Amino acid sequence: SQQGEEDPQALSIQEGENATMNCSYKTSINNLQWYRQNSGRGLVHLILIRSNEREKHSGRLRVTLDTSKKSSSLLITASRAADTASYFCATAKNDYKLSFGAGTTVTVRA
Amino acid sequence: ETGVTQTPRHLVMGMTNKKSLKCEQHLGHNAMYWYKQSAKKPLELMFVYNFKEQTENNSVPSRFSPECPNSSHLFLHLHTLQPEDSALYLCASSQDDQPQHFGDGTRLSIL
Repeated sequence: SQQGEEDPQALSIQEGENATMNCSYKTSINNLQWYRQNSGRGLVHLILIRSNEREKHSGRLRVTLDTSKKSSSLLITASRAADTASYFCATAKNDYKLSFGAGTTVTVRA
Repeated sequence: ETGVTQTPRHLVMGMTNKKSLKCEQHLGHNAMYWYKQSAKKPLELMFVYNFKEQTENNSVPSRFSPECPNSSHLFLHLHTLQPEDSALYLCASSQDDQPQHFGDGTRLSIL
């Protein structure tokens, strides 16, 4: 069943601007992961944040997790045209299964 | 190159045909997955295999039949599909509960 829900569904920004997208989920989790999907390709793992972590960075990506609000955010700083893609959050409990949201489509305009 | 290869990339078939999707991972992972991705919907987990044993069948109709002959290969056998089965089918692998590595998918169209 769907666990994560991303917001907004779509986002259009100018190159160089920051992009923020949010993910909400319903039940307790072990970790939350963000993935990117370019058009016509598979998903690529970006970052994993565990339930006992509050913030994580990877290059231009910053992820926060608020377990009390059951929400996470992904921030992409100084966006580039190559960041144009769909972004998905996925939650994991105590097994191998991931529950994905429907994704946020990000368009970076040159 | 993600280390997970899916073939074919595109498949068009009639409702009475039988075809198979293939997935191969070169990462030495012990778990493999089939997902269905339809437009504007979340990825749907279909099957999970761990050390070649099926550990999850997410209420998938019997017209989809998975096969995992070894930990590197995963097949999805298709027969008597319906138009609503048209979608992108993604294969993924992982080592235990580590992040998953995805193939580029098979775009399936049912006529």
